[in-house]
Amino acid sequence: NAGVTQTPKFQVLKTGQSMTLQCAQDMNHNSMYWYRQDPGMGLRLIYYSASEGTTDKGEVPNGYNVSRLNKREFSLRLESAAPSQTSVYFCASSEQGLAVTDTQYFGPGTRLTVL
Amino acid sequence: AQTVTQSQPEMSVQEAETVTLSCTYDTSESDYYLFWYKQPPSRQMILVIRQEAYKQQNATENRFSVNFQKAAKSFSLKISDSQLGDAAMYFCAYRSASGTYKYIFGTGTRLKVLA
Repeated sequence: NAGVTQTPKFQVLKTGQSMTLQCAQDMNHNSMYWYRQDPGMGLRLIYYSASEGTTDKGEVPNGYNVSRLNKREFSLRLESAAPSQTSVYFCASSEQGLAVTDTQYFGPGTRLTVL
Repeated sequence: AQTVTQSQPEMSVQEAETVTLSCTYDTSESDYYLFWYKQPPSRQMILVIRQEAYKQQNATENRFSVNFQKAAKSFSLKISDSQLGDAAMYFCAYRSASGTYKYIFGTGTRLKVLA
C-alpha cells in the first residue's frame, strides 16, 4: 500500500515548455486534489476532482489543466510553463470529500523550477 | 471568505519540553473542521490532529492536543514531551462542513527541537 505517489520528484523546465505531473493513489479514494506550496503562502488549491469523471477549479487554476484519468490517477498539466509556476506541487486524496470524517492524504511532492 | 493565520513563523523547544503553536481563523460559518498537519524535511504532509467545530471537547492524539476556542476562533496545538522527530513545519487548516472540498491552509510554523 504505497498511499499517494507523485512523479517526478524534481523537474526543471524552460519558460514555454510543457509538462505533466502524475499522481496516483491506491487507497480507493473518491476525491483527489492538486496544491502548490510557495514560501510564506502555505498550500493553495489548484484543482480538485470530487469523483471520477469530474474536475473543478480551486483557488489558483490559471495556467493549469487537469485530467482525472480513472479513479486512481489525477494528472496536472502545465501547457506553457512560466517562472511564476516555480513551486512545490502536492497531490492529495481523500475517501469522500464532503464526509464528516474526511481526511486528506498527501503525496511526497514535486519540486518544479521554471527558468 | 475564510482565512487562517499562523503568526509564528518559527518556534524552538527543548527536547522533552512542551510547546504551543498558535492558529487563528476567520469564518462566518458555524460548522467546520480544523486540522493540524506536519511537514517534515521529506516534504510529505502528515495529519497530526483533527477537530470538529461542533465538538466542545478538545481533540488529543498521544502527545498532541489542541486548545479549541470557538468564540475566539483560535485553534492552538500543544506538543508535550517534544522529541527530535517533531521538528517540522506545522500547518493549520480549515475546511467548511458544507458544500465545498476546499481546505484553507495557514502559512505554517517551523518548529525546531533542541537537544
